Amino acid sequence: KAGVTQTPRYLIKTRGQQVTLSCSPISGHRSVSWYQQTPGQGLQFLFEYFSETQRNKGNFPGRFSGRQFSNSRSEMNVSTLELGDSALYLCASSSIIGSGTNTGELFFGEGSRLTVL
Amino acid sequence: SQELEQSPQSLIVQEGKNLTINCTSSKTLYGLYWYKQKYGEGLIFLMMLQKGGEEKSHEKITAKLDEKKQQSSLHITASQPSHAGIYLCGADGGAGSYQLTFGKGTKLSVIP
Repeated sequence: KAGVTQTPRYLIKTRGQQVTLSCSPISGHRSVSWYQQTPGQGLQFLFEYFSETQRNKGNFPGRFSGRQFSNSRSEMNVSTLELGDSALYLCASSSIIGSGTNTGELFFGEGSRLTVL
Repeated sequence: SQELEQSPQSLIVQEGKNLTINCTSSKTLYGLYWYKQKYGEGLIFLMMLQKGGEEKSHEKITAKLDEKKQQSSLHITASQPSHAGIYLCGADGGAGSYQLTFGKGTKLSVIP
């Protein structure tokens, strides 16, 4: 079974530009979530999608957005890039579909490393 | 908001030695996850603990959950170079949150 695939793996942008990152979840997984990882803040939750609906969003400015397609693939977009947006962006998928007491095991991709100059 | 504090922040051990990493939560734990990360790469799931007193083992790694103390510990027996990496604990946000809150991680180096 193929794992979570993220593209691109590495990218360099300049301040003010925008970027789109892509994530293909494990086949059959309908929940996709995104995390930002930086040396200073660690891993922080961005948002989670299930069946094309955003169910939860972290404490990030509106420049960060995402969406999920009918095939469960997801994209996230960051507009008007700032130097502080340089980070490893990780996508995770999960087979948990209900709203039980636990989020469940997340399967992470290798990440997209964004550098903003 | 929930915060997880991991200790120590970094650890250097001789191959063959045992070690313990701790994770303390500022709030009630609904579920505690342990992940391992190689530098700059994705996270690899190790274990999930849900109930107080629960203990799970996989190969030479054992994790325990103390619900009352809002703590979890990860113990590695007879460490090997393959154990090197960053260990992260993540707390479940509870029903309907669909997110994990992570600690800052513990960087483990194993010297042959």
